[in-house]
Amino acid sequence: GQNIDQPTEMTATEGAIVQINCTYQTSGFNGLFWYQQHAGEAPTFLSYNVLDGLEEKGRFSSFLSRSKGYSYLLLKELQMKDSASYLCAVRDGDYKLSFGAGTTVTVRA
Amino acid sequence: IAGITQAPTSQILAAGRRMTLRCTQDMRHNAMYWYRQDLGLGLRLIHYSNTAGTTGKGEVPDGYSVSRANTDDFPLTLASAVPSQTSVYFCASSDNPTDTQYFGPGTRLTVL
Repeated sequence: GQNIDQPTEMTATEGAIVQINCTYQTSGFNGLFWYQQHAGEAPTFLSYNVLDGLEEKGRFSSFLSRSKGYSYLLLKELQMKDSASYLCAVRDGDYKLSFGAGTTVTVRA
Repeated sequence: IAGITQAPTSQILAAGRRMTLRCTQDMRHNAMYWYRQDLGLGLRLIHYSNTAGTTGKGEVPDGYSVSRANTDDFPLTLASAVPSQTSVYFCASSDNPTDTQYFGPGTRLTVL
């Protein structure tokens, strides 16, 4: 099975930067995903890392270190609409996703 | 608009009743999945299907069954609902098991 840890809550100010960390222990590894989930809605895909390093996509970036079992999602130039839960998910050797409990980010004006 | 639909949106169910949650996708994705989401626990895989005609068990399959008679539909059945099955249920699909999963809007189920 997988053990995936991420902080429960984070608060930041509009226009600021927030970094959401995710650590994992896995039996087999085939990539790490970040999803965004607004309250009452479905998770939506944000990013995917399978190799070490940084993937940048607009205001969002995701980093992976496989040797450390560590990833982070960086949200820059925060906007009110970024208030949501952010889910870290690890794909195992059988290509099944295991999810962390999610980090709720609150953006304040 | 292409995507995944789920029905019903929400349901209140008496314990012991049988219930089928419906999931349909029009993207011709081969793989489909059912998850439940509970506060503080994150999404947990119930059952999956890598291709039409095949199904497999996920992390929490007990009390649930699925079928995959065709590519588009992947219903989830609770044979005899119990209060611990109160949850939000999400269906997801991916082109293949190695591809990114996309989620439906969810079904909020309450078992009393």
